Amino acid sequence: DSGVTQTPKHLITATGQRVTLRCSPRSGDLSVYWYQQSLDQGLQFLIQYYNGEERAKGNILERFSAQQFPDLHSELNLSSLELGDSALYFCASSVGPGGEYEQYFGPGTRLTVT
Amino acid sequence: AQKVTQAQTEISVVEKEDVTLDCVYETRDTTYYLFWYKQPPSGELVFLIRRNSFDEQNEISGRYSWNFQKSTSSFNFTITASQVVDSAVYFCALKAGGSYIPTFGRGTSLIVHP
Repeated sequence: DSGVTQTPKHLITATGQRVTLRCSPRSGDLSVYWYQQSLDQGLQFLIQYYNGEERAKGNILERFSAQQFPDLHSELNLSSLELGDSALYFCASSVGPGGEYEQYFGPGTRLTVT
Repeated sequence: AQKVTQAQTEISVVEKEDVTLDCVYETRDTTYYLFWYKQPPSGELVFLIRRNSFDEQNEISGRYSWNFQKSTSSFNFTITASQVVDSAVYFCALKAGGSYIPTFGRGTSLIVHP
């Protein structure tokens, strides 16, 4: 158990809908990363927050947004969902702001868009 | 820029065989960090090891060992006497000086047959 929690574990929704994925980092970790993993694209970095501030942005679509709250949990919002958004979404946390720290991953949220 | 190549898409071995997973990286920075992560069938990525560019000492942890060679820009991972529980996708990642976040390779799927 990495200490990172993600909810929900599974999510099935229809195209055009909006969903929110939630992540709680390990105790003491200030950084939260979001990744998307699909069969054809591999593990894609979406966005990173450190202590409430956005720190790095990857290939995140404009339909997606995220935030990190004062208690350090983070939410990833996906809107106007398309079939292609079906994937595993992982949250990871690390103690520091830079990518030189190892990341601890949550169990993931499997999103299915029908 | 930073790049990680895991040329082996899938490796299949029989239990008790030794197996080496290759990881070749590219960066012009002199300070960088390398990682290996394991993703078992359950889905959650698990951190295995982190090395920085100034420490070329090889590491052994039980049946796992890592060979870091700057001369060939490689950070290979060997599992000795493989077991069925080693079946997973293994990711190598690189975080180089100028980048905020690590770049992950495409992963190598290891299948260990009983």
